Amino acid sequence: DSGVTQTPKHLITATGQRVTLRCSPRSGDLSVYWYQQSLDQGLQFLIQYYNGEERAKGNILERFSAQQFPDLHSELNLSSLELGDSALYFCASSVLWGQGNEQFFGPGTRLTVL
Amino acid sequence: AQTVTQSQPEMSVQEAETVTLSCTYDTSESDYYLFWYKQPPSRQMILVIRQEAYKQQNATENRFSVNFQKAAKSFSLKISDSQLGDAAMYFCAYRSRFRYGGSQGNLIFGKGTKLSVKP
Repeated sequence: DSGVTQTPKHLITATGQRVTLRCSPRSGDLSVYWYQQSLDQGLQFLIQYYNGEERAKGNILERFSAQQFPDLHSELNLSSLELGDSALYFCASSVLWGQGNEQFFGPGTRLTVL
Repeated sequence: AQTVTQSQPEMSVQEAETVTLSCTYDTSESDYYLFWYKQPPSRQMILVIRQEAYKQQNATENRFSVNFQKAAKSFSLKISDSQLGDAAMYFCAYRSRFRYGGSQGNLIFGKGTKLSVKP
């Protein structure tokens, strides 16, 4: 158990819908990263937050957005869902940013878009 | 931009034998980190081993060791005395050293190598 929690574990929805994935980092970790794992794209970095502020963006679609709240939990919002958005979404946390701090991964949320 | 390449989509090893998984990367940076992550069927991402680029000594964690060749931009993982529980997807990952206004430390992953362990 990494100490990072993600809810829900599984999510099944239809095209065009909107969903919210939630992540609670390890106690004391200020940085949260979101990654997407799909069969065709592999593991890709989406976005990073540090202490409530967006710090870095990767291959995140405009239909996707995220935020980190004062209690440090983070939410990833996916809207106008398409079949290709079906993937495993991971959240990872670390104490600070970069500088050798290990990223601890949550168990992931499996999103299926029908 | 940095890239990570794992040229072996699948590998197989006999239990108790040794196997080496390959990884190459491309970067113009001189200071960075390299990692191997294991993803078993449970899908949990588990850090196996990490290497700081400025360290010449290869990292070792119990049965897992790496062969880090900085000039060749190669970072292979050796698993000794393979066990059934080692069966998983293995991902090689790169991370830039943090820089204010620049990289914030996200991981760049290879496509992965699926390791099977035969009893």
